[in-house]
Amino acid sequence: KQEVTQIPAALSVPEGENLVLNCSFTDSAIYNLQWFRQDPGKGLTSLLLIQSSQREQTSGRLNASLDKSSGRSTLYIAASQPGDSATYLCAVRRHSGAGSYQLTFGKGTKLSVIP
Amino acid sequence: DAGVIQSPRHEVTEMGQEVTLRCKPISGHDYLFWYRQTMMRGLELLIYFNNNVPIDDSGMPEDRFSAKMPNASFSTLKIQPSEPRDSAVYFCASSLWQGATGTGELFFGEGSRLTVL
Repeated sequence: KQEVTQIPAALSVPEGENLVLNCSFTDSAIYNLQWFRQDPGKGLTSLLLIQSSQREQTSGRLNASLDKSSGRSTLYIAASQPGDSATYLCAVRRHSGAGSYQLTFGKGTKLSVIP
Repeated sequence: DAGVIQSPRHEVTEMGQEVTLRCKPISGHDYLFWYRQTMMRGLELLIYFNNNVPIDDSGMPEDRFSAKMPNASFSTLKIQPSEPRDSAVYFCASSLWQGATGTGELFFGEGSRLTVL
């Protein structure tokens, strides 16, 4: 059974700092890994999707990397801003047969960027 | 694209009442998911559909919960009768996979916040 862990559960940093969020998974047989952002009282917003054949994806100040062999992904946020404050979740997808679609979420890291 | 659309955004009801949550997935997507989120348990997958067919409903907590997808553009999650412990935010999400021709990226709706008194 796939298990996804995000450590730390909460992180507080001063504005302008670069930071890294971690996601680890136990089963390396994945199709893709997706990073989401969730603001309080809102839905999950997709940030980046990394296919299993890729090593990283970039979008603006965000960079996500994937190391399947070690079961790890990182989300790098450059020059953090107070608007980046949110909970960040990673989800790992494993395909296991016709029609099936197994997606496992981590519990998230709550990020606070202090002005 | 309007994204995944859920209704109602908020629902307050009394124990024993029937609750119906609705979802319109992104047009063309072939997978639809229903999740429940609580502080204690985080995100839980309840059920998902592929091309309108339920594939895995093992996450549905009990017989009081049922979900349907009568066509590619509409799904419902029904709770009958509702109980206070059903209070949570219910999310619908959709994805395009089509046997790996799509990316499989998952898109969420804004959620339906259910409070059962």
